[in-house]
Amino acid sequence: KQEVTQIPAALSVPEGENLVLNCSFTDSAIYNLQWFRQDPGKGLTSLLLIQSSQREQTSGRLNASLDKSSGRSTLYIAASQPGDSATYLCAGGNNAGNMLTFGGGTRLMVKP
Amino acid sequence: EPEVTQTPSHQVTQMGQEVILRCVPISNHLYFYWYRQILGQKVEFLVSFYNNEISEKSEIFDDQFSVERPDGSNFTLKIRSTKLEDSAMYFCASSRLSNTGELFFGEGSRLTVL
Repeated sequence: KQEVTQIPAALSVPEGENLVLNCSFTDSAIYNLQWFRQDPGKGLTSLLLIQSSQREQTSGRLNASLDKSSGRSTLYIAASQPGDSATYLCAGGNNAGNMLTFGGGTRLMVKP
Repeated sequence: EPEVTQTPSHQVTQMGQEVILRCVPISNHLYFYWYRQILGQKVEFLVSFYNNEISEKSEIFDDQFSVERPDGSNFTLKIRSTKLEDSAMYFCASSRLSNTGELFFGEGSRLTVL
């Protein structure tokens, strides 16, 4: 059974800092890995999707990597802004219809 | 930009009552999902739905739960007899493809069972 873990649970950084959020998973046979953003009381906004055959994806200031052999994914945020403050969730997709297993999230606060 | 819409945004119900949560997936998507998030816990998979039938379900999705696509646009989750522990945020999601498809989530329906 897939288990997804995100460390740290919370992170506070000053504005402008580059940062890395970590995600680890136990079953390397994932089909894809997706990163989401969740604002308080809101839904999940898809940020990046990495297929199992890919190593990374980029969108604007965000870059996500996937290393299946080590069971790790990272989300790199460049030049962080206060508007980036949110909870970031990673989720691994299984091989039977895209059932996602979620990590517990990293709550990010970017201070002005 | 196309989005998944969910209604109601918040529902309060008495224990034992039936609840129906509604979702309108993105129009050209073929795969539909329900997830839930109990306050302070991880987002959990409930069920996936394709071609008018359930393709996968979790242990949480017991006989008290059912899903339906009653017409060409709506996708519903019914909880037959709500329990206190059903209180959670319920998220609908859709994707155009299966295994390799990106999931798009709605804003959620908060269910409070008293």
